[in-house]
Amino acid sequence: DAGVIQSPRHEVTEMGQEVTLRCKPISGHNSLFWYRQTMMRGLELLIYFNNNVPIDDSGMPEDRFSAKMPNASFSTLKIQPSEPRDSAVYFCASSPQVGSNQPQHFGDGTRLSIL
Amino acid sequence: AQSVSQHNHHVILSEAASLELGCNYSYGGTVNLFWYVQYPGQHLQLLLKYFSGDPLVKGIKGFEAEFIKSKFSFNLRKPSVQWSDTAEYFCAVRTPNTDKLIFGTGTRLQVFP
Repeated sequence: DAGVIQSPRHEVTEMGQEVTLRCKPISGHNSLFWYRQTMMRGLELLIYFNNNVPIDDSGMPEDRFSAKMPNASFSTLKIQPSEPRDSAVYFCASSPQVGSNQPQHFGDGTRLSIL
Repeated sequence: AQSVSQHNHHVILSEAASLELGCNYSYGGTVNLFWYVQYPGQHLQLLLKYFSGDPLVKGIKGFEAEFIKSKFSFNLRKPSVQWSDTAEYFCAVRTPNTDKLIFGTGTRLQVFP
């Protein structure tokens, strides 16, 4: 079975550029999560969607970050403009319906480096 | 707000040693508890989970964890570690009827042959 698929695996870009990270959740999963992992702050939840609707975006650091989920099989996390402090590994995860008592399944992550 | 504390930031063991990683959470109600493992360069994988029932849960690769409600703890254990257990271990809490996971800061485990 295909797991959560993220692209790209690695992204290196200069500060000021727009960065778009992509995620395809596991088919049939209704909840999708974006996390950021850094040495300093560990794993932080940025935003999560349920049935394509953003439920909690309190973890989004600032207006430069935005996330969309246009349909059940695709989500993007966009940073514009990017800054060096955005360098991190960004994970996407998905799970079945809220309250289903099923764990989240994580993608392989996107390692982002902003120069 | 819920929080998760992992007091051991870095643990170094020799193969065959026993392991116990601490995890405490702050939330007074019913919780779901998880341990995830992240091998070097890889994504997080579920080790084990507790929702209800027997407070001693067994996971993959010989790991187990015990939920002690009175102590708000969910410590991870393994009787005899292997070099291949070298990884980072994350404890996480989820309150029912939400999907939001709160992670601890992680414990880096290094096992030497």
